[in-house]
Amino acid sequence: AQSVTQLGSHVSVSEGALVLLRCNYSSSVPPYLFWYVQYPNQGLQLLLKYTSAATLVKGINGFEAEFKKSETSFHLTKPSAHMSDAAEYFCAVSDGNAGNMLTFGGGTRLMVKP
Amino acid sequence: KAGVTQTPRYLIKTRGQQVTLSCSPISGHRSVSWYQQTPGQGLQFLFEYFSETQRNKGNFPGRFSGRQFSNSRSEMNVSTLELGDSALYLCASSLAARNSYNEQFFGPGTRLTVL
Repeated sequence: AQSVTQLGSHVSVSEGALVLLRCNYSSSVPPYLFWYVQYPNQGLQLLLKYTSAATLVKGINGFEAEFKKSETSFHLTKPSAHMSDAAEYFCAVSDGNAGNMLTFGGGTRLMVKP
Repeated sequence: KAGVTQTPRYLIKTRGQQVTLSCSPISGHRSVSWYQQTPGQGLQFLFEYFSETQRNKGNFPGRFSGRQFSNSRSEMNVSTLELGDSALYLCASSLAARNSYNEQFFGPGTRLTVL
């Protein structure tokens, strides 16, 4: 069985500061890992994905994530936060053998202070 | 290309009723998945359909069911509604069946409120 843990249900940063959202996963097989963003009253939008190619993955809106197998982590970072980054972020895992089933973490709400 | 559409966007029902939600995937996408999002349980997988067949099912009671039509449109049905079924129901479509690193595109969701 797979699982995803996101440390910190709420993270607050100042505009221009580093964004770090933490994600740890558990999977019995090499995982596919994803970060999604959800804005109020909207669905989920894919930020980036890890599919066993490069361990450092670059996504949209300046976000990137690094896959660290030894730490079973896939933390999301952005060098400089913007007010428009305020949203909820979800880390998800798929084992590749169960179709398109995603297992999501609990989510982290990012707040950006001016 | 139009995105994933879900209808209706908002729905209010009373306990004991049943409800049907609809999802139209992106043109050409054959896989449709459904997720339930609640503040307490987060995002949970309901089921996935591909070529009119249910491929995967999450851990939900039999009151939750779905189907997919030949044009890939999908519906989910919840019978005998309970207060705990109040949630945002998200539909996602993708091109392939087993290729999990094909991006899933999510619709805006249907907000169901059970009174």
